[in-house]
Amino acid sequence: GQQLNQSPQSMFIQEGEDVSMNCTSSSIFNTWLWYKQDPGEGPVLLIALYKAGELTSNGRLTAQFGITRKDSFLNISASIPSDVGIYFCAGSNTGNQFYFGTGTSLTVIP
Amino acid sequence: DTGVSQDPRHKITKRGQNVTFRCDPISEHNRLYWYRQTLGQGPEFLTYFQNEAQLEKSRLLSDRFSAERPKGSFSTLEIQRTEQGDSAMYLCASSLAGGYNSPLHFGNGTRLTVT
Repeated sequence: GQQLNQSPQSMFIQEGEDVSMNCTSSSIFNTWLWYKQDPGEGPVLLIALYKAGELTSNGRLTAQFGITRKDSFLNISASIPSDVGIYFCAGSNTGNQFYFGTGTSLTVIP
Repeated sequence: DTGVSQDPRHKITKRGQNVTFRCDPISEHNRLYWYRQTLGQGPEFLTYFQNEAQLEKSRLLSDRFSAERPKGSFSTLEIQRTEQGDSAMYLCASSLAGGYNSPLHFGNGTRLTVT
């Protein structure tokens, strides 16, 4: 299947700092999704992107669909303790099957 | 609650036993997906249905795995003759086919432990 590489693998930041993470694919996608997963729960959708170059915000979260259609970025501004979790990107080139990255683990230090 | 519902949340079974999981999707969603997630990894696609038709299956879905969605609503995933390597979180997701505004919405999963 498709391989999505997420970086960084983990992050330890101070509360109030901004966070940036990215996801790259070996293939072109026409949809990018970003999810957050807490321990023992399913992934929760944060942002969906459908067009190259698109920049979409959800509160303190902003995600971008890369121009090459092979990457996407997620930024979190002014991090708070409840931002702790694992963030996954997912992409699709058909709208049918979605491929997931390996996740970025975020720890926010109060 | 109108989200995706999965049952049971946890299942412990002995190697060689059969297990069955159930997923109830968001009611207006016509697509239903099964994913498997192991510790430290992202979800891996297993199979998906559109209405009652199973349209795609991953190579990960060995012949011991079978999924059904008989009436196009809820779905079951059965694993026969479980192996320790089957231990994982099994996630169900649903979406609305046909539109680009149709991301996957996940349930909270069934965690399977094979002893």
